[in-house]
Amino acid sequence: GEDVEQSLFLSVREGDSSVINCTYTDSSSTYLYWYKQEPGAGLQLLTYIFSNMDMKQDQRLTVLLNKKDKHLSLRIADTQTGDSAIYFCAEKIKAAGNKLTFGGGTRVLVKP
Amino acid sequence: DTEVTQTPKHLVMGMTNKKSLKCEQHMGHRAMYWYKQKAKKPPELMFVYSYEKLSINESVPSRFSPECPNSSLLNLHLHALQPEDSALYLCASSQGTTNATVGYTFGSGTRLTVV
Repeated sequence: GEDVEQSLFLSVREGDSSVINCTYTDSSSTYLYWYKQEPGAGLQLLTYIFSNMDMKQDQRLTVLLNKKDKHLSLRIADTQTGDSAIYFCAEKIKAAGNKLTFGGGTRVLVKP
Repeated sequence: DTEVTQTPKHLVMGMTNKKSLKCEQHMGHRAMYWYKQKAKKPPELMFVYSYEKLSINESVPSRFSPECPNSSLLNLHLHALQPEDSALYLCASSQGTTNATVGYTFGSGTRLTVV
């Protein structure tokens, strides 16, 4: 299957850490991605992880991948007001012609 | 140049009009994509071009007609659209469509309103 699921909304205080969760169903995924979309804008690739990795850190961003549970998370350290946006996880499924399939998106609101 | 450029940014068209959306990239990417995104929803794949040939059509109605004139350009021709086709249309590109390809680069989109 090609279902990718995310929680709808996350509220966090400025300076705290945010954790956005995602579950996927297809075990043939090759890469998993996190995209950020600000209002009225396109999608910005934040980070990605190859399916044989457990963790990837990139400045304030940490991606954790649990292949057994098909669970992906994005941790944003020291969350800033500019981090308010919709965050989409996405998987690239080899068995589906390497199509990119998106989750429903998590709206993150950072409060001062 | 590391961008995907889409024009126009906004478009309002009547149901009898013919219009085109344009997308351009100069990163040497050989795969280009059209996605449709309704409000508060994730992007949905419409078409994939690989090496200037249409490789995936996600059962899109024929009132949407894609065209890839060369490896840097991707068009989406629109004709006889319905109000429910109003959405943000996103173009993306990637180095290829194999499982070795890492990232997709998205444009900022064209916000289309059909009246």
